[in-house]
Amino acid sequence: QKEVEQNSGPLSVPEGAIASLNCTYSDRVSQSFFWYRQYSGKSPELIMSIYSNGDKEDGRFTAQLNKASQYVSLLIRDSQPSDSATYLCAGRRRDDKIIFGKGTRLHILP
Amino acid sequence: EPEVTQTPSHQVTQMGQEVILRCVPISNHLYFYWYRQILGQKVEFLVSFYNNEISEKSEIFDDQFSVERPDGSNFTLKIRSTKLEDSAMYFCASTGQGSQYEQYFGPGTRLTVT
Repeated sequence: QKEVEQNSGPLSVPEGAIASLNCTYSDRVSQSFFWYRQYSGKSPELIMSIYSNGDKEDGRFTAQLNKASQYVSLLIRDSQPSDSATYLCAGRRRDDKIIFGKGTRLHILP
Repeated sequence: EPEVTQTPSHQVTQMGQEVILRCVPISNHLYFYWYRQILGQKVEFLVSFYNNEISEKSEIFDDQFSVERPDGSNFTLKIRSTKLEDSAMYFCASTGQGSQYEQYFGPGTRLTVT
């Protein structure tokens, strides 16, 4: 199993709807998790970090972590065209290396 | 808002040449990183640096690569003898003491090896 896995997409969501992005991880990646947004040709931008089970909300974004099932998700409410980007899930290993997934391309339909 | 900066934005070099990519991390940050992203692929960890020494490095970071913090502000990645497969975006990132793992990325340097 890859350490951090994401569906590459594209995921198409109508404007105003909720976009749901998912990520699974292996036993090697268990310490903390991060969601980054990356526009084409740009660098990753940190959106959310989550360290413990449950939900963490920040504005239109909610990160969810379920350690028993080894998945982490990102919900984007009231999706806007400017949310169209690639979303990178990342996790921290016990040796402190941050491992990135390949990213999910999100396309918000106007 | 403080940000990580990187120079140059684009570097073209011939195979076998040495390149130095430069980064200025956020001023009060303590942990520094280099990542690379080959076009269309995922972001890959290269090396982390703390307290003036390498703390972790990946299998990619072989003897051709080195990092240095020559002064209090710059953080450099040197590739001694570039190969075609070194062509990629190279991102520098830094984190602070309080949020050790929340990494803030610079805009990247696009390295093209011909």
